[in-house]
Amino acid sequence: GAVVSQHPSWVICKSGTSVKIECRSLDFQATTMFWYRQFPKQSLMLMATSNEGSKATYEQGVEKDKFLINHASLTLSTLTVTSAHPEDSSFYICSVPSGTRETQYFGPGTRLLVL
Amino acid sequence: DAKTTQPTSMDCAEGRAANLPCNHSTISGNEYVYWYRQIHSQGPQYIIHGLKNNETNEMASLIITEDRKSSTLILPHATLRDTAVYYCIVRGRNTPLVFGKGTRLSVIA
Repeated sequence: GAVVSQHPSWVICKSGTSVKIECRSLDFQATTMFWYRQFPKQSLMLMATSNEGSKATYEQGVEKDKFLINHASLTLSTLTVTSAHPEDSSFYICSVPSGTRETQYFGPGTRLLVL
Repeated sequence: DAKTTQPTSMDCAEGRAANLPCNHSTISGNEYVYWYRQIHSQGPQYIIHGLKNNETNEMASLIITEDRKSSTLILPHATLRDTAVYYCIVRGRNTPLVFGKGTRLSVIA
């Protein structure tokens, strides 16, 4: 069964609005979760590491004020795309380390289309 | 930057073994070799990982060379549903996965 869930699975929004994406760990308590995005025909790019109880760590080139991450509990991390623009249209995927941290399990992804 | 090199694409006949190579010549002693795959419009799926010994599970086998500079993922009997992009990733235990471009495997009937 699924280890990681994401909601919504897809969303269409108008330019300038904000969109919140949820990532839930179903099997593990996760002090850390990871957010990736994937543009068409490209590979996954790590955006940030979500840390429970502290600030997220962002990769170089990712604007922390635009992509707000909140690790609300040991099973939930949210990514909010603020003031979304068409260039933010992408496939957003979260992942959760396993209990032993040897592997990472990925959510099904959220497809965002900004008009 | 990804630490691995993989062929861009491969074809495999349905029912035959698919052998996907990966070079990771700069791998460190404490880094594992991971394989994931991504079927179109889905999140990546974990396949297998190993440190230095060969590994096998219900999905695949992982063969790592003795010097650990390369590895091969083997899908013993490829089916059409194995068509996907396969990513070979080198990773330390507590670091996030960094994806390269992967190999696009097409299983042909």
